Amino acid sequence: NAGVTQTPKFRVLKTGQSMTLLCAQDMNHEYMYWYRQDPGMGLRLIHYSVGEGTTAKGEVPDGYNVSRLKKQNFLLGLESAAPSQTSVYFCASSLTGGRDTEAFFGQGTRLTVV
Amino acid sequence: KQEVTQIPAALSVPEGENLVLNCSFTDSAIYNLQWFRQDPGKGLTSLLLIQSSQREQTSGRLNASLDKSSGRSTLYIAASQPGDSATYLCAPNRDDKIIFGKGTRLHILP
Repeated sequence: NAGVTQTPKFRVLKTGQSMTLLCAQDMNHEYMYWYRQDPGMGLRLIHYSVGEGTTAKGEVPDGYNVSRLKKQNFLLGLESAAPSQTSVYFCASSLTGGRDTEAFFGQGTRLTVV
Repeated sequence: KQEVTQIPAALSVPEGENLVLNCSFTDSAIYNLQWFRQDPGKGLTSLLLIQSSQREQTSGRLNASLDKSSGRSTLYIAASQPGDSATYLCAPNRDDKIIFGKGTRLHILP
């Protein structure tokens, strides 16, 4: 059971380039989340999804787009990368958003935009 | 908008001490609250989940309490060990959003 897997683990982009981060979970979870973690800022929610075909904005959605075409995958896209998007990105999933469900996290993607 | 504060931001204590980490949140209408551990350069590991209807939850040397009405949770670590050194994060869940505090960096001195 792989849990939550993020691809890639590391990436360096030039300003203006685009890329997609993939989050895959094999636990049949409905809810999926994308966060970024920056020194001194903690983890901040970018976008989330409460089921296949749905997406919603979190705390810091600007500059990012997401898609949830398949239940097991949640994609995070950067259309035109900026140095301010240098960060560690974490994906998470949970069975539902209910009281008794816990969130599980991937190992992170370290992105540097130069 | 949910805001989560964790106090202290950093803590260094000798091995063997009992310690308490604090978490406060502004919106008390939460579904549950999770405590996580993060080691440097790693992902997050779930430690404890407290449902909104529960007062506390225990796992080994860890005990987490929740006072939803006052917007507070505490994580109690008994008989601390050097392997407990990590950043501890609390995350209340409301309206499908899991919002994090900035964490407490814990260093247990051998």
